[in-house]
Amino acid sequence: QVQLQESGPGLVKPSETLSLTCTVSGGSISSYSWTWIRQPPGEGLEWIGCISYNGRTYYNPSLKSRVTISVATSQNQFSLKLTSVTAADTAVFYCARQDVYSRPIDYWGQGTLVTVSS
Amino acid sequence: SYVLTQPPSESVAPGQTARITCGGNNIGSNGVHWYQQKPGQAPVLVVYDDSDRPSGIPERFSGSNSGNTATLTISRVEAGDEADYYCQVWDSSSDHPHVVFGGGTKLTVL
Repeated sequence: QVQLQESGPGLVKPSETLSLTCTVSGGSISSYSWTWIRQPPGEGLEWIGCISYNGRTYYNPSLKSRVTISVATSQNQFSLKLTSVTAADTAVFYCARQDVYSRPIDYWGQGTLVTVSS
Repeated sequence: SYVLTQPPSESVAPGQTARITCGGNNIGSNGVHWYQQKPGQAPVLVVYDDSDRPSGIPERFSGSNSGNTATLTISRVEAGDEADYYCQVWDSSSDHPHVVFGGGTKLTVL
């Protein structure tokens, strides 16, 4: 059974870079597409982007200029960097898996709340 | 960018049938996936590719998709079905293909 676990700071200052890591267990990261999704408090889901096993990335056009997703295959981890954050970036961030980038999201992490505040 | 429109809320009595819609331009030509999210929990996939169910999802959950509307149907609704439901597609029509979620529908079991 694949499990995903997000980790990273729960508090980030405005204008700084938000960095999160997702550790995958119970399966290899060297296949599938690995995805980040966020959900502001009390709001809906927003897809941030994904990275395929071969390193190809797809990003939400509304966030593309600020987002980088990368994968560390040897550590079975993938990461998210979101630059120049503001209070509007406060959200629960989920890491997740898709079979390939265009397929449904079948495994989710539990989510981690990141607050942007000085 | 492609937009998916869901009603903010629906309510249904236990034992009745709930229908949650997801509107989008020619959405019938896309595969639609549906997620259930209960408070404080991560979403769970309940229907994929319009009408297929993942292992472990009750047969009470079904889906359809045609024209400009996709529908998630929950038969014989139970109290435990109370949750937020999100539809999702892959938008391949733009220069930057990406996942699109609907705004979500809060299902209340009366």
